[in-house]
Amino acid sequence: AQTVTQSQPEMSVQEAETVTLSCTYDTSESDYYLFWYKQPPSRQMILVIRQEAYKQQNATENRFSVNFQKAAKSFSLKISDSQLGDAAMYFCAYIEGRDDKIIFGKGTRLHILP
Amino acid sequence: GAGVSQSPSNKVTEKGKDVELRCDPISGHTALYWYRQRLGQGLEFLIYFQGNSAPDKSGLPSDRFSAERTGESVSTLTIQRTQQEDSAVYLCASSWTSGYLDTQYFGPGTRLTVL
Repeated sequence: AQTVTQSQPEMSVQEAETVTLSCTYDTSESDYYLFWYKQPPSRQMILVIRQEAYKQQNATENRFSVNFQKAAKSFSLKISDSQLGDAAMYFCAYIEGRDDKIIFGKGTRLHILP
Repeated sequence: GAGVSQSPSNKVTEKGKDVELRCDPISGHTALYWYRQRLGQGLEFLIYFQGNSAPDKSGLPSDRFSAERTGESVSTLTIQRTQQEDSAVYLCASSWTSGYLDTQYFGPGTRLTVL
């Protein structure tokens, strides 16, 4: 079965600094998608960034970028120039290309220190 | 112990029918969430239960949606008079305490198809 592992339950970073959140996954599939979701106090899950497994180029969205290492099954999220509004729970997630049920990691709680 | 379970795993219904989706949280978890994931989209928060407090229903899209939870046990999400746009995967998650700040454990979801 596919699994998603986030090994850092909690992290802290100084405002304006850079932080990297780790995620590894396990699958035997070749066609899949990976995501990072942010969950602020509103509890709405916000899609931060998405990566297609067939693309070698790492996805980037403004201050958010990923380091996708397909062979190592690693999908880390880098947040540059951290802002107070980045404080939230971050979930790594996986979905097979032919399915629509998403599998989540347990999340990493990110604190931004002023 | 066992994780979060949801039933049924798949549900196909006709437009206008009512459906009930069930979530069994991890024993001892006081917080329980329902989310909806439409095809190709992110998760939408629907409702949140914390212990015996009044639930946070702010995410329910219409009055056709309702949810109940008895104590800190099973929760049921009910959709009345289903519409085709209700077709989605409905995910349940539970956590020990403190709502969103605590680790959420997700169930496998129920895929609802409204014909």
